[in-house]
Amino acid sequence: AQKVTQAQTEISVVEKEDVTLDCVYETRDTTYYLFWYKQPPSGELVFLIRRNSFDEQNEISGRYSWNFQKSTSSFNFTITASQVVDSAVYFCALSDLSGSARQLTFGSGTQLTVLP
Amino acid sequence: DAGVIQSPRHEVTEMGQEVTLRCKPISGHDYLFWYRQTMMRGLELLIYFNNNVPIDDSGMPEDRFSAKMPNASFSTLKIQPSEPRDSAVYFCASSLGEASTDTQYFGPGTRLTVL
Repeated sequence: AQKVTQAQTEISVVEKEDVTLDCVYETRDTTYYLFWYKQPPSGELVFLIRRNSFDEQNEISGRYSWNFQKSTSSFNFTITASQVVDSAVYFCALSDLSGSARQLTFGSGTQLTVLP
Repeated sequence: DAGVIQSPRHEVTEMGQEVTLRCKPISGHDYLFWYRQTMMRGLELLIYFNNNVPIDDSGMPEDRFSAKMPNASFSTLKIQPSEPRDSAVYFCASSLGEASTDTQYFGPGTRLTVL
């Protein structure tokens, strides 16, 4: 069975600090996909990134970067120089080929608060 | 391009009433998913469709819930009769392919409150 753990329930930082959100996953498959979504206070779920299990290259997009390490089954998300607008709940999710339902398994989310 | 569209954005109803939530997926997407988000259970998949056909409804909580997709551009999730424990945010999402290979794009959600 697949599982996603986001151990950090809440994180609070001061603007301009760097912050890393942790994500640990479990799957029996060798082929799988990892995702990060952002849920701002307005409530919508915004797609941020998708990674497949064969691509361990780290990714950078502006102030966002992702560190994928298969050896530790982790897919961590770092925000550099955080801003108040980054305040949101961030979800890590996993999709693999097991089971009959082709579904995303979400972590419980990390509430990030960036203080001015 | 328009994203996934959901209506209404907010719904307040009384216990026992019928509730219908609506979703328009992204044009060209073959998969449509309905999720429910609550504080207690997080994000749960209720049902998903492929080419308008329901594939897996094992997440639908009980017979009071039903979902349809009469065509490629419209789906409904109906609760009849509604109960206070159905209060949640309901999301619709669509993807070009299966969740295992393609990104799911979510609508803004419908916040349902059952009094």
